[in-house]
Amino acid sequence: DTEVTQTPKHLVMGMTNKKSLKCEQHMGHRAMYWYKQKAKKPPELMFVYSYEKLSINESVPSRFSPECPNSSLLNLHLHALQPEDSALYLCASSQGRTLRTDTQYFGPGTRLTVL
Amino acid sequence: TQLLEQSPQFLSIQEGENLTVYCNSSSVFSSLQWYRQEPGEGPVLLVTVVTGGEVKKLKRLTFQFGDARKDSSLHITAAQPGDTGLYLCAGFQGGSEKLVFGKGTKLTVNP
Repeated sequence: DTEVTQTPKHLVMGMTNKKSLKCEQHMGHRAMYWYKQKAKKPPELMFVYSYEKLSINESVPSRFSPECPNSSLLNLHLHALQPEDSALYLCASSQGRTLRTDTQYFGPGTRLTVL
Repeated sequence: TQLLEQSPQFLSIQEGENLTVYCNSSSVFSSLQWYRQEPGEGPVLLVTVVTGGEVKKLKRLTFQFGDARKDSSLHITAAQPGDTGLYLCAGFQGGSEKLVFGKGTKLTVNP
């Protein structure tokens, strides 16, 4: 099973809303990632969690707040977003033994629209 | 500066034709991964290449990693409409833990 699941599939929110994106994997992976992908662009790394600890934060604005409650779950809490934050948000996971050589497996993404 | 350059950017061919897409860099990569992505979906892993000169085959797809680990190619034989999608190469440069992506090749295979 190489499946990473993400909910919701689509999300529309106002700039004053608070919402969360969820990601789950049951492959026993110990590294999990959030990426942002704008239309016609490649994915861009936002955060990396390794063994439930935040390992990389790519200078993401504080209106995005990641959380890793356990090794199988990864959340992204959203608050006071801007319309330019509208994008496809992708979660990925990898074994986590050596991040710089790990193969990453991606979920289907959450399409976020900020009005 | 784009670390991974993919070419061509767009490719439209007829069913049954062969094609090759390229992923090039001036930097050495410890590994390269190829993904296929459909609109509104996440990238699906096709292959990971690790060893310089390595060739991997996945049915009609052949992947090659350059001897110097700076480039890779994907060759598709007898393309089918189901091969349509965005092909992304991605890799870890040197000792970095950040996966960097090329801009992708958008392939359309017409019936």
